[in-house]
Amino acid sequence: NAGVTQTPKFQVLKTGQSMTLQCAQDMNHNSMYWYRQDPGMGLRLIYYSASEGTTDKGEVPNGYNVSRLNKREFSLRLESAAPSQTSVYFCASPTGNSAWNTEAFFGQGTRLTVV
Amino acid sequence: QKEVEQDPGPLSVPEGAIVSLNCTYSNSAFQYFMWYRQYSRKGPELLMYTYSSGNKEDGRFTAQVDKSSKYISLFIRDSQPSDSATYLCAMSDPGEYGNKLVFGAGTILRVKS
Repeated sequence: NAGVTQTPKFQVLKTGQSMTLQCAQDMNHNSMYWYRQDPGMGLRLIYYSASEGTTDKGEVPNGYNVSRLNKREFSLRLESAAPSQTSVYFCASPTGNSAWNTEAFFGQGTRLTVV
Repeated sequence: QKEVEQDPGPLSVPEGAIVSLNCTYSNSAFQYFMWYRQYSRKGPELLMYTYSSGNKEDGRFTAQVDKSSKYISLFIRDSQPSDSATYLCAMSDPGEYGNKLVFGAGTILRVKS
């Protein structure tokens, strides 16, 4: 049982390049999230998907797009990478949509550097 | 002003000390309150959660919530070097499109042997 799997683990991009971060969960959860983590800033929500076919913006969505491909997969795309997007990106999947089940399982993270 | 405020530390204590970690929040809609622990270069893992004011104990860990003051705490008794990690508070926000988890900045804890 892998839980939440993110690829790649590390990536270096040049300014202006594009890339897609992949996330898959095998827990049959409805919701999936993308966060970025920067020193002193904690985890900031980029986008989330409450169920297959729905996505919504979080706190810091600018410069990103997402696709909820199916129930298992939720991808994050950087169309034109900027140095300000250098960060550690985490995909997470909570156990449920209601307030009663909000334990979130996290992937191992993707360390992205934009030069 | 951020919805959740947490002192980033770092907090350095000797082994065996009692550690107090705190967060304040401004959104009265927050329903569930959680503490996550994150070791270096790993994803966060849920440590404890609670949904009402009061205390909840789990071994050496006690989570405390005061909804009237919008203040939550995590106490660690008999701290061990293995407790060295970043501790993030998190709160469940019942958003329009489903629950969102809002995190504090995280407090770096170092327990010295």
